[in-house]
Amino acid sequence: RKEVEQDPGPFNVPEGATVAFNCTYSNSASQSFFWYRQDCRKEPKLLMSVYSSGNEDGRFTAQLNRASQYISLLIRDSKLSDSATYLCVERRGNEKLTFGTGTRLTIIP
Amino acid sequence: EPEVTQTPSHQVTQMGQEVILRCVPISNHLYFYWYRQILGQKVEFLVSFYNNEISEKSEIFDDQFSVERPDGSNFTLKIRSTKLEDSAMYFCASSELAGYTDTQYFGPGTRLTVL
Repeated sequence: RKEVEQDPGPFNVPEGATVAFNCTYSNSASQSFFWYRQDCRKEPKLLMSVYSSGNEDGRFTAQLNRASQYISLLIRDSKLSDSATYLCVERRGNEKLTFGTGTRLTIIP
Repeated sequence: EPEVTQTPSHQVTQMGQEVILRCVPISNHLYFYWYRQILGQKVEFLVSFYNNEISEKSEIFDDQFSVERPDGSNFTLKIRSTKLEDSAMYFCASSELAGYTDTQYFGPGTRLTVL
């Protein structure tokens, strides 16, 4: 089983809509989780950190369910600039990040 | 806002040649990392570095790879004898500390093409 699994998409969503992604992880010892976004051929950039049950930042909400070993990302009122690949990331020890393959999102005008 | 920088942005080399990829981490950060991303695939951890030592490395980071902090600002990744399969985007990252809440900030990457 993959360490971090995501639906690769693509998700094509009209502007203004709400979209949600899920990510599952295999190791119950994982300590922290992150959502990074990656634009085409660019570096990953941190979107949100998730340590406890959830985190909200403006239009973005991340939830963590340790019992079911999944993390979700909700984007409300989506904008054209939200088009990117969203990377689910776990950290088990103190250093190494383990990335999922990413979910591609395209916001349609 | 401080950022991680990397040079060159694109490196083309012949198979079997040595390459050195350079990174300047954020100035007050203590932990440094290299990741790579083969086109169309996920980002993969290569190595982490702290206090002038490798603290963790992946299976990918074999004897062909080495890292060094030659001075107070640069952090380098050397590939001794490049293979075709080393073609990828190489990202350097740094973090202030290495607690589970500490954020790793990524540089813009070096695209390595091995011919």
